[in-house]
Amino acid sequence: DQQVKQNSPSLSVQEGRISILNCDYTNSMFDYFLWYKKYPAEGPTFLISISSIKDKNEDGRFTVFLNKSAKHLSLHIVPSQPGDSAVYFCVWNAGNMLTFGGGTRLMVKP
Amino acid sequence: DAGVIQSPRHEVTEMGQEVTLRCKPISGHDYLFWYRQTMMRGLELLIYFNNNVPIDDSGMPEDRFSAKMPNASFSNLKIQPSEPRDSAVYFCASSRDGGNEQYFGPGTRLTVT
Repeated sequence: DQQVKQNSPSLSVQEGRISILNCDYTNSMFDYFLWYKKYPAEGPTFLISISSIKDKNEDGRFTVFLNKSAKHLSLHIVPSQPGDSAVYFCVWNAGNMLTFGGGTRLMVKP
Repeated sequence: DAGVIQSPRHEVTEMGQEVTLRCKPISGHDYLFWYRQTMMRGLELLIYFNNNVPIDDSGMPEDRFSAKMPNASFSNLKIQPSEPRDSAVYFCASSRDGGNEQYFGPGTRLTVT
């Protein structure tokens, strides 16, 4: 069974600086890991994905890094903007079924 | 595109009452998912449908919970009888191909007193 753990419940960074959100998993068998973002009173929205055969995927200001030997992935946001303030979920995709981590609340201060 | 529509947005009911949550997926999406978010358990998948057929309901917590999808444009989740521990935000999501990107509705906040 796969477990997805986000050990930092919150993170605060200054506007313009880098935000790094971390995620650990337990099961080496997977096809994709995803990141979703959630604003208050809204549903989560898909942000970026990474497949098991890659170690990096970049989309604009967002980059996800995968370290399979450490069973660890991270999301980098550079530069951080106040509008990035939200809860970020690390998500395992098990073929249509998504398993969400506990989330990290990011606060970007102007 | 109107996105995934859920109703009601808020529901307050008394223990023992039946609760019905409704969802209209994005047109053309073949997959529909029901999730529940609580402080204790986070965001968890309850059940999902493909082409209106339930595929996996292993996340449904008890027999008090049931979900149906009578057609491609509507699904409901029922709780009968409701209990205070059912209080949570319930999300509906849909996707075109069951892949990485699921589109979530705004959620229904259920409070059972």
